[in-house]
Amino acid sequence: EIVLTQSPGTLSLSPGERATLSCRASQSVSSSYLAWYQQKPGQAPRLLIYGASSRATGIPDRFSGSGSGTDFTLTISRLEPEDFAVYYCQQYGSSPVWTFGQGTKVEIK
Amino acid sequence: EVQLVESGGGLVQPGGSLRLSCAASGFTFSSYSMNWVRQAPGKGLEWVSYISSSSSTIYYADSVKGRFTISRDNAKNSLYLQMNSLRDEDTAVYYCARESEWLVPPYYYYGMDVWGQGTTVTVSS
Repeated sequence: EIVLTQSPGTLSLSPGERATLSCRASQSVSSSYLAWYQQKPGQAPRLLIYGASSRATGIPDRFSGSGSGTDFTLTISRLEPEDFAVYYCQQYGSSPVWTFGQGTKVEIK
Repeated sequence: EVQLVESGGGLVQPGGSLRLSCAASGFTFSSYSMNWVRQAPGKGLEWVSYISSSSSTIYYADSVKGRFTISRDNAKNSLYLQMNSLRDEDTAVYYCARESEWLVPPYYYYGMDVWGQGTTVTVSS
């Protein structure tokens, strides 16, 4: 079973700053199967990135994904007030079919 | 509008049963694989179960295998999760989520691009 470890647990930043979130897999993951989600309090998750670097429909271009193998990154180029949320990486595998990281909270400094 | 609406959550005693439903609208439900994902209070996301578009392939997380059953009725545009032998640790918000695939030659990419608002299951005596 592949384990996804996200870091840091919490990121304290100000609006306008750049956010860099890390997702490390316990073994190599195909980039095709790596996704990122945003979740705000009381809301369902929202797909941001699929295939490690492709933005989902309607996602602003300040969100970008990169990486391969065991190391993946979600970057938010300039934080907007609505970007403060929890972010999860996810990988598509065999058993279990889907695995999530534990999440990174991006909070206002 | 593409939409998923869950229902059926509630308070149940340990050892009890509950059936969750997810009503789909705004897209061709029968063309998509579907998933259940849950989130315990204050915790992260946990995948629970997967069903292919034709119901031919089904998977479960080890934590629910043998207790939960996923099913779908494409004629009714509905997804279900039958939960038996419920435990305290099953307490969570349960989301249904559509699984999409995108062809970016030569690869297929996957993700859960539509989510319901969630239904809360509380297991407590």
